[in-house]
Amino acid sequence: EAQVTQNPRYLITVTGKKLTVTCSQNMNHEYMSWYRQDPGLGLRQIYYSMNVEVTDKGDVPEGYKVSRKEKRNFPLILESPSPNQTSLYFCASSSIAGSAYNEQFFGPGTRLTVL
Amino acid sequence: AQKVTQAQTEISVVEKEDVTLDCVYETRDTTYYLFWYKQPPSGELVFLIRRNSFDEQNEISGRYSWNFQKSTSSFNFTITASQVVDSAVYFCALSGGGSYIPTFGRGTSLIVHP
Repeated sequence: EAQVTQNPRYLITVTGKKLTVTCSQNMNHEYMSWYRQDPGLGLRQIYYSMNVEVTDKGDVPEGYKVSRKEKRNFPLILESPSPNQTSLYFCASSSIAGSAYNEQFFGPGTRLTVL
Repeated sequence: AQKVTQAQTEISVVEKEDVTLDCVYETRDTTYYLFWYKQPPSGELVFLIRRNSFDEQNEISGRYSWNFQKSTSSFNFTITASQVVDSAVYFCALSGGGSYIPTFGRGTSLIVHP
């Protein structure tokens, strides 16, 4: 089954404790991205990657890191989480075949709470 | 800069009513893409439609239809004979112009009462 998986689905942590949210897709997609969803703000992109070893900032990259060492994986790293990073996070992927603006396939979401 | 406005924060209807969700966008690009996504109460985001700026044909898919009008920079979404399963948050999004950072609207929460 074609899918994007994220782990963990729920995470409660404390300020300053480094964490990684994993994302993996099995569709051989080139483009992968991370979003955060906050009430009343919609989805905002944190980082995106057009392919292996190619990453770039989205609209709200501060406090986050990413890496793309393999095509299928795109982990999101919070090196020193703060309470304002409490949010619902989505990973997404899409093919760039034919167009760099194809529809995105989203993971199930990770609800992060930073105390 | 790109912008997507979904002015309706929440819409409440009774089953079988028709409902239209508005999406107004701003962009200086001549080539761009518009999307609608659905987020049901379970939380996942599901793709509904993609439309490029050169294709102003309206589209119908079952009870769903989309009206794209470049003259008013709008890409509205209509659900005919709404059902309880249509209850969700719907997001309109815009991509294009060489930027790979999509712009999402803030979403419209649709509640369909039985």
